[in-house]
Amino acid sequence: QQPVQSPQAVILREGEDAVINCSSSKALYSVHWYRQKHGEAPVFLMILLKGGEQKGHEKISASFNEKKQQSSLYLTASQLSYSGTYFCGTDPSGNTGKLIFGQGTTLQVKP
Amino acid sequence: DADVTQTPRNRITKTGKRIMLECSQTKGHDRMYWYRQDPGLGLRLIYYSFDVKDINKGEISDGYSVSRQAQAKFSLSLESAIPNQTALYFCATSDRTGYWRDTQYFGPGTRLTVL
Repeated sequence: QQPVQSPQAVILREGEDAVINCSSSKALYSVHWYRQKHGEAPVFLMILLKGGEQKGHEKISASFNEKKQQSSLYLTASQLSYSGTYFCGTDPSGNTGKLIFGQGTTLQVKP
Repeated sequence: DADVTQTPRNRITKTGKRIMLECSQTKGHDRMYWYRQDPGLGLRLIYYSFDVKDINKGEISDGYSVSRQAQAKFSLSLESAIPNQTALYFCATSDRTGYWRDTQYFGPGTRLTVL
């Protein structure tokens, strides 16, 4: 039931782009993305809802393919501050608030 | 002041000891969660509570118990700690209504070591 994230790790230079994928075996109501910096708590980035609505605090883009039960997070023109571990959390039902998190993707941005 | 706080932040204990981790929030959210984080495994849900009278087991509840003392407080107990419970523990909250419904806000975490 745990969604699968790919890649597990990626190393970039500043200014390069990256895509992080999240794939579920179950139909999804929503996908949530979080970023965790080393030694800190996960921080909310974005929610993508069934039907196309997206909500987020930062200028990050993402997609949600409901039929394929997949979501992708797009990190463009990466900055050093993008470094961290990215988690997707999936909600199959939409009425529980309970998320199942993927194993995480570690992103390192180098100068 | 932080919206979601956890105490203690670090704890070292011995096998067989009972230990309680506490979580408090000032966000006014009705839903609270306890997660465990191990390297490479992501965040796994231990217990969750939708209000004071509604507590539910998560994926990995064996060996843990919880108490929701008030809307703002949710405690996690290890009745008899064992070394494989060594992990980073996070509390989180979410609101069931409003624009940011279901967004989870995490506390700073408690690093627990069981010797």
